[in-house]
Amino acid sequence: GESVGLHLPTLSVQEGDNSIINCAYSNSASDYFIWYKQESGKGPQFIIDIRSNMDKRQGQRVTVLLNKTVKHLSLQIAATQPGDSAVYFCAENLYTGGFKTIFGAGTRLFVKA
Amino acid sequence: EAQVTQNPRYLITVTGKKLTVTCSQNMNHEYMSWYRQDPGLGLRQIYYSMNVEVTDKGDVPEGYKVSRKEKRNFPLILESPSPNQTSLYFCASSLLTNEKLFFGSGTQLSVL
Repeated sequence: GESVGLHLPTLSVQEGDNSIINCAYSNSASDYFIWYKQESGKGPQFIIDIRSNMDKRQGQRVTVLLNKTVKHLSLQIAATQPGDSAVYFCAENLYTGGFKTIFGAGTRLFVKA
Repeated sequence: EAQVTQNPRYLITVTGKKLTVTCSQNMNHEYMSWYRQDPGLGLRQIYYSMNVEVTDKGDVPEGYKVSRKEKRNFPLILESPSPNQTSLYFCASSLLTNEKLFFGSGTQLSVL
């Protein structure tokens, strides 16, 4: 079925370490994938995206990897900082007569000082 | 400043009393959408609009109405709110469909 899920509901990392947040998606027709960050009391904020014709995309301290063979998406955060503490959502877009965005349930990232 | 503005931020109401949550964006975005966020369920789409006068149902449209009479505004209407509509609501927009979303700050609704 159509679903976007996360392997771990919470992730705790030491400040300065790298973080990896994983996401599984089930719809092979999805062609656009996005990671959002949601801090407490705020709306989700775009971090990075990737189209289905790519397998890796890098931003500032963040990298998204897409493995279409196993329908897996990951977000890597380098040198994790306290300000990275938040809930991270993966999302996939697919066309079903209109474009639909399906969000995963989210992973909460804790950064220990 | 480019933003999506929702109002009110918090709302407490009673069952059956009609309410409207407003959403406005100043980025000339074509696509707008409403989501509700519930613990453990993530974000679920209520309604979306690909352009003026074009709206369509998302995954959980029951009990909600929307309108898109002008490009910048996309109000969410609850004609007869019920307690199961107690939730955190987000409006979002994107320049075109199939692009990254810009979210408002959210509206926490409690229906008693």
